[in-house]
Amino acid sequence: DAGVIQSPRHEVTEMGQEVTLRCKPISGHNSLFWYRQTMMRGLELLIYFNNNVPIDDSGMPEDRFSAKMPNASFSTLKIQPSEPRDSAVYFCASSSRSGSPNEQFFGPGTRLTVL
Amino acid sequence: QKEVEQDPGPLSVPEGAIVSLNCTYSNSAFQYFMWYRQYSRKGPELLMYTYSSGNKEDGRFTAQVDKSSKYISLFIRDSQPSDSATYLCAMSAVGGAQKLVFGQGTRLTINP
Repeated sequence: DAGVIQSPRHEVTEMGQEVTLRCKPISGHNSLFWYRQTMMRGLELLIYFNNNVPIDDSGMPEDRFSAKMPNASFSTLKIQPSEPRDSAVYFCASSSRSGSPNEQFFGPGTRLTVL
Repeated sequence: QKEVEQDPGPLSVPEGAIVSLNCTYSNSAFQYFMWYRQYSRKGPELLMYTYSSGNKEDGRFTAQVDKSSKYISLFIRDSQPSDSATYLCAMSAVGGAQKLVFGQGTRLTINP
């Protein structure tokens, strides 16, 4: 299995630009999670989906952030407009059983730098 | 105050030493406790998982949960240079088992 796939791996953009991060979960997994990791705040859950439906988006910092999961094999996290404080590593993770604390498999992350 | 507190280190020990990593938490609803390991520029991977209180052993790794003290530990015996990584504790409550709350992570280096 290829594992969780994220793209791009690195993104450098200027303040005010729109940023779209992409994730392909492990085939057969029905839960998908978006996290953000910074030195100051550590690893924080932004939003998660079960069976393509958003369950909890309380970690999404502002309205500038939005996430979608149009089908079981694809999700996006969009930041519009981006700000320098959004600079972080964004991880996508998936797991195989909604509603349980099953192991979450993380992707390699997208390192975002907003200038 | 954060729900989960973890000393970020860094922690540096010689090869073969016993390593103790710890987290404290404030939410008494937490029932699921996990340790993830994260190598540099990689995503975290699950190392150990325990439910409620008690101990769990897997090879050189032992996880302990003390719910009365709201304190969890990970012990690594006979530490190896390949154990050098950041270790993150994570926990969740029964009502939101998928919603993991992570500690800051402790950066560990094992010196040959």
